[in-house]
Amino acid sequence: DAGITQSPRHKVTETGTPVTLRCHQTENHRYMYWYRQDPGHGLRLIHYSYGVKDTDKGEVSDGYSVSRSKTEDFLLTLESATSSQTSVYFCAISINSGTGEAFFGQGTRLTVV
Amino acid sequence: SQQGEEDPQALSIQEGENATMNCSYKTSINNLQWYRQNSGRGLVHLILIRSNEREKHSGRLRVTLDTSKKSSSLLITASRAADTASYFCATDGGSEKLVFGKGTKLTVNP
Repeated sequence: DAGITQSPRHKVTETGTPVTLRCHQTENHRYMYWYRQDPGHGLRLIHYSYGVKDTDKGEVSDGYSVSRSKTEDFLLTLESATSSQTSVYFCAISINSGTGEAFFGQGTRLTVV
Repeated sequence: SQQGEEDPQALSIQEGENATMNCSYKTSINNLQWYRQNSGRGLVHLILIRSNEREKHSGRLRVTLDTSKKSSSLLITASRAADTASYFCATDGGSEKLVFGKGTKLTVNP
């Protein structure tokens, strides 16, 4: 199984503070993704990465930035958290670059108060 | 906007019955995937069907794909209470950018 760890698993933060979520994989998969999941919206892609320092925007990227300085780590940063960013965030890795089959982390529940 | 849209949004059936969920998408694809999510957990990959395939089976799962209608269906036969979960379709839109629909919430009553 692909090893993927998200940290923290839960976080409560105040509006206007920066927040960084970490996704760590134990294998050298090239593609990594950040999604947010909200009731009524399903999963929406925030950003994804196709290699070290290679990232691109998804459908809901406003207010988020990402970085990938090492193959194994993909960081998602909320520069100034807002209540609308309260959500469950999932990281995923593509374990088969030929098909895009993804393996998901357990999620991070973020609450912005 | 999201690539895939599942239908129905929610489905409630009795154990032993079959469950059918549908997915419609917007652009051309290389493949379409179905995932399952148990409450509070991450998504788990169920099955992938390529754009040149029309039907695929895996255990009690049957997936069909109609590229002319840009639609797919997932059939779960002889459902069990343990099949209770949300099911999502995902498409690649011709790239590695995996985009999900809003999901179908399936409840299987014992």
